Amino acid sequence: QKEVEQNSGPLSVPEGAIASLNCTYSDRVSQSFFWYRQYSGKSPELIMSIYSNGDKEDGRFTAQLNKASQYVSLLIRDSQPSDSATYLCAVTRNTGFQKLVFGTGTRLLVSP
Amino acid sequence: GAVVSQHPSWVICKSGTSVKIECRSLDFQATTMFWYRQFPKQSLMLMATSNEGSKATYEQGVEKDKFLINHASLTLSTLTVTSAHPEDSSFYICSAVEPAGALETQYFGPGTRLLVL
Repeated sequence: QKEVEQNSGPLSVPEGAIASLNCTYSDRVSQSFFWYRQYSGKSPELIMSIYSNGDKEDGRFTAQLNKASQYVSLLIRDSQPSDSATYLCAVTRNTGFQKLVFGTGTRLLVSP
Repeated sequence: GAVVSQHPSWVICKSGTSVKIECRSLDFQATTMFWYRQFPKQSLMLMATSNEGSKATYEQGVEKDKFLINHASLTLSTLTVTSAHPEDSSFYICSAVEPAGALETQYFGPGTRLLVL
């Protein structure tokens, strides 16, 4: 079982729709959870961080965390073609420095 | 957010040569930096953790003698790929940890694309 699992996609949504990206993790004591966006050929860019159960909203983005189910999601409202990218879910391990463990990413395609 | 730079952004070299990549945190001090490698259509793989003033910690399967890491100051870490070979061609990305009280966030540099001929 992979430590962080994501559906590779692509997830295709029309412009203006809500895109829902999901991630599960195996280490029950994971503490911090991050969503990064990576455009093709570029490095990851931090979108959201979430540390406690519930929802966290930032503009068009909402991160949801459920530690009991070991599940974290990212909702993108009013999706735009510029949101088309690969979204990486990352969690920190329970020991050492903030070593991120990444999922393989979900490719999102927003069509005009 | 915090800014992390990398230099060079692109490097092409001959097989057998060594290549040095710099990673700098521009507006904060980073006691910890990380080096990742990403092959096409794959996710980021952590290579090593770079700690200011001490030896780097390498992930399993990463040769420390081939990938030399030096974290000489709170704003600079370098990765040297020694005796590079074509299979070392990849996208190398560093990140720096910005302390924020009890919570720390990693910010990524723009990456260095290495092509070994």
